[in-house]
Amino acid sequence: SQQGEEDPQALSIQEGENATMNCSYKTSINNLQWYRQNSGRGLVHLILIRSNEREKHSGRLRVTLDTSKKSSSLLITASRAADTASYFCATDADRNNAGNMLTFGGGTRLMVKP
Amino acid sequence: GAGVSQSPSNKVTEKGKDVELRCDPISGHTALYWYRQRLGQGLEFLIYFQGNSAPDKSGLPSDRFSAERTGESVSTLTIQRTQQEDSAVYLCASSLVQGARPNYGYTFGSGTRLTVV
Repeated sequence: SQQGEEDPQALSIQEGENATMNCSYKTSINNLQWYRQNSGRGLVHLILIRSNEREKHSGRLRVTLDTSKKSSSLLITASRAADTASYFCATDADRNNAGNMLTFGGGTRLMVKP
Repeated sequence: GAGVSQSPSNKVTEKGKDVELRCDPISGHTALYWYRQRLGQGLEFLIYFQGNSAPDKSGLPSDRFSAERTGESVSTLTIQRTQQEDSAVYLCASSLVQGARPNYGYTFGSGTRLTVV
């Protein structure tokens, strides 16, 4: 099963509104990352939040992390039509072995209508 | 190069044929990852290379899948005797690793869209 699960699976909003996407995970993590994907091809890294951080900002993006609830949220403020994409959370599990691949959720498909 | 390069960008193959996908990571990135993404779904981990350590192959779905990496450069993912269920976008990513953990984001290539007919 996937470590990260996004909610909602799809979101449609008007330009200028805020978009909030949530991610839940199951195990202890070292960090959690959010990625954006256009047109089903390469993903673009948006932001990384470490397990000892609670909130992080980058431009119009705000990410929160609640390790007690094993959840994170991505907020996009003042959305634009160009923000239309799929957004994925990914967790770097706190594993004892040397492996450290990210585990991705199923993504939230965001549509911003002009 | 400036980014992660994957080739081919698209591949159509007949069921039963072998295919080889190539990934050229960012110079200096010691970690390299392969993921598979079926249509409308999330990313499924396949294999991970880190420096000269033994690769983490725990995500490979069957023995028809294999991957190699030459030092800290190019990697190839080979799928033997392809099946229709192998149709997907195969994504490669690389990242910096500092100390024990890669506390940096991945840089992804644009992927190879594989269609098995």
